[in-house]
Amino acid sequence: GAVVSQHPSWVICKSGTSVKIECRSLDFQATTMFWYRQFPKQSLMLMATSNEGSKATYEQGVEKDKFLINHASLTLSTLTVTSAHPEDSSFYICSAPKTGNHDEQYFGPGTRLTVT
Amino acid sequence: GQQVMQIPQYQHVQEGEDFTTYCNSSTTLSNIQWYKQRPGGHPVFLIQLVKSGEVKKQKRLTFQFGEAKKNSSLHITATQTTDVGTYFCAGGAQKLVFGQGTRLTINP
Repeated sequence: GAVVSQHPSWVICKSGTSVKIECRSLDFQATTMFWYRQFPKQSLMLMATSNEGSKATYEQGVEKDKFLINHASLTLSTLTVTSAHPEDSSFYICSAPKTGNHDEQYFGPGTRLTVT
Repeated sequence: GQQVMQIPQYQHVQEGEDFTTYCNSSTTLSNIQWYKQRPGGHPVFLIQLVKSGEVKKQKRLTFQFGEAKKNSSLHITATQTTDVGTYFCAGGAQKLVFGQGTRLTINP
């Protein structure tokens, strides 16, 4: 089956620094990828839709200048958390549909970010 | 915007008992998907329902999509300890909106 990888799986950073998270589709091309954030014991909240070759679409309330998304190729999307603060600590998960937006989402294993 | 509500939030059962989680959308859905997330893991796709009134089965799991395509349910018969996790429904046109999830714990 389709596989989506994420790197790193966990990261600890100091407040004020930036962290880049990579999401790769390993055996299929993804023109669209989605970035979610999940706080402990809560649901997945869609942050943004990453579009290959164009600007990402951000959900309401998500700061695009803080969460930079780049989708430079059909297999790679990156999320950079800039000037991270402790409240940004969360589980960040990416997903990619195999074909089209309505199909099942293949989720990456997630990245646990802790900002100290 | 679209909202997907899921109940119950938590469910604890004895192994062997049945379990059901319900999902309701504020708007008609083109399709609904179900995912399972094990503790510490990531969501894994279980199934997608598209047709009004559709019922699909996967071994002990039965999924239903309401006639009005605004609600859905997941029923697990005779739960096993491997069923532990959080079950999410998700629906949406251009992007998935996830329900709050139902966390299932099982007493062996």
